[in-house]
Amino acid sequence: KNQVEQSPQSLIILEGKNCTLQCNYTVSPFSNLRWYKQDTGRGPVSLTIMTFSENTKSNGRYTATLDADTKQSSLHITASQLSDSASYICVVRAYGNNRLAFGKGNQVVVIP
Amino acid sequence: EAQVTQNPRYLITVTGKKLTVTCSQNMNHEYMSWYRQDPGLGLRQIYYSMNVEVTDKGDVPEGYKVSRKEKRNFPLILESPSPNQTSLYFCASRPLGQGAYGYTFGSGTRLTVV
Repeated sequence: KNQVEQSPQSLIILEGKNCTLQCNYTVSPFSNLRWYKQDTGRGPVSLTIMTFSENTKSNGRYTATLDADTKQSSLHITASQLSDSASYICVVRAYGNNRLAFGKGNQVVVIP
Repeated sequence: EAQVTQNPRYLITVTGKKLTVTCSQNMNHEYMSWYRQDPGLGLRQIYYSMNVEVTDKGDVPEGYKVSRKEKRNFPLILESPSPNQTSLYFCASRPLGQGAYGYTFGSGTRLTVV
C-alpha cells in the first residue's frame, strides 16, 4: 500500500474558481511534507514545504495545510488560472530517512 | 542559475542498444537520484547516491546502472534497454541532512524503446 494517497485523482475546474487537493500519509516518524507542481512533460517544482510544527504555508495563490495528528495535508488553489493546469504531487519524508514517499499526484485541469 | 541538467530530452532507441542519460547539477548537492514516471504509477525511485562513489538501489533498479565518479554528475545507464523501460525519467538532487531540503528536478528525458 502506498504510504501517500492523494485525492481526487483528477478534477476539472472553471477558471477563477477555488479547489482543494487532499493528501493522506502513513509515513512515520514524520519529518516534512512538500507539495510539488508538475507541468506536463516537465520536472516537478516545489510549491510549499511544512515541518511538524507548521500547520499552514502559503505561496501566492497556493495555501497548504498540515494536520500531523491525523496525517493529512491539503493544497488549496485560490482563483484558479489556466496556468494552474498541472499535476500536484505530495511528497513526505520520514525523520532519519533519506528516502521520500511520493503520492501519485492530483491532475488539475482549469478550463476557461 | 541553480539547476539540474539532463540530456537528452527525447530519445528513441531499439531494444538491446546500450544508452546513457546524463545528469549534472551545479549546486554542490550531495544527494542525487533517478526516478521514472509512468501513467498511474507516479514517480518511482530507480537509484540514488548520497555522495561520490556511494550509490544504492531504489524501488525499481532492475535493468539500470548508475555511477557517481564526480559530485556533480550522476549518469543513468541502460545496458540492454527493453520496451518496458519506455518511460519519462527525471534526475533530481538536494543537500544531504535532516533539514527541510527539497529536490531540484531536471526537465526530464522521455525514452522510447522499440
